[in-house]
Amino acid sequence: DAGVIQSPRHEVTEMGQEVTLRCKPISGHDYLFWYRQTMMRGLELLIYFNNNVPIDDSGMPEDRFSAKMPNASFSTLKIQPSEPRDSAVYFCASSLTSGISRSKNIQYFGAGTRLSVL
Amino acid sequence: AQKVTQAQTEISVVEKEDVTLDCVYETRDTTYYLFWYKQPPSGELVFLIRRNSFDEQNEISGRYSWNFQKSTSSFNFTITASQVVDSAVYFCALSDAISGGDNKLIFGAGTRLAVHP
Repeated sequence: DAGVIQSPRHEVTEMGQEVTLRCKPISGHDYLFWYRQTMMRGLELLIYFNNNVPIDDSGMPEDRFSAKMPNASFSTLKIQPSEPRDSAVYFCASSLTSGISRSKNIQYFGAGTRLSVL
Repeated sequence: AQKVTQAQTEISVVEKEDVTLDCVYETRDTTYYLFWYKQPPSGELVFLIRRNSFDEQNEISGRYSWNFQKSTSSFNFTITASQVVDSAVYFCALSDAISGGDNKLIFGAGTRLAVHP
């Protein structure tokens, strides 16, 4: 399996621009998570989906942040407009919670997108 | 409320030393999962181990071993004969997925391990 795939790996943009981060979860996984990692706050859960439905977005910092999961194999995290304080590494993770797989309930992470907002 | 505490912010050792990374957790659930993840300098988060709350048997995988003690709410991670490639940030995490929770992970702040040659 290819694992969780995130794109782009690096994004540099100017304040005020729209930024879209993309994630392809592991095939068959039913949960998808978006995290943000900063030096000050560590790893923060932003939002997560179950079977493409957003379950909890209480971690989304502001209305400038939005996330969608139009189908089981794709999710986006959008920031509009972006601000310098949004600079961070954004991780996507997926997990399988059904069945009897040994990997059940283990979150597997993508390589992350390093976002720099100038 | 659930909480994971990794009191050691940074640890520095010389190659071949043994090192233990501490993890203390808080939860009201009687059944839960505990995890360790590794984040090497390249930045990705790599899953290392998952342990169920009802299985307190210690686990060994090569140079890695984990000591789970429910009585002290601890899940410590020991690297034996450390190597430079072990240099990374290590995260401990907690999930209440077993007890019907939503598979969310509560992460500790991480411990940065530097292994010097």
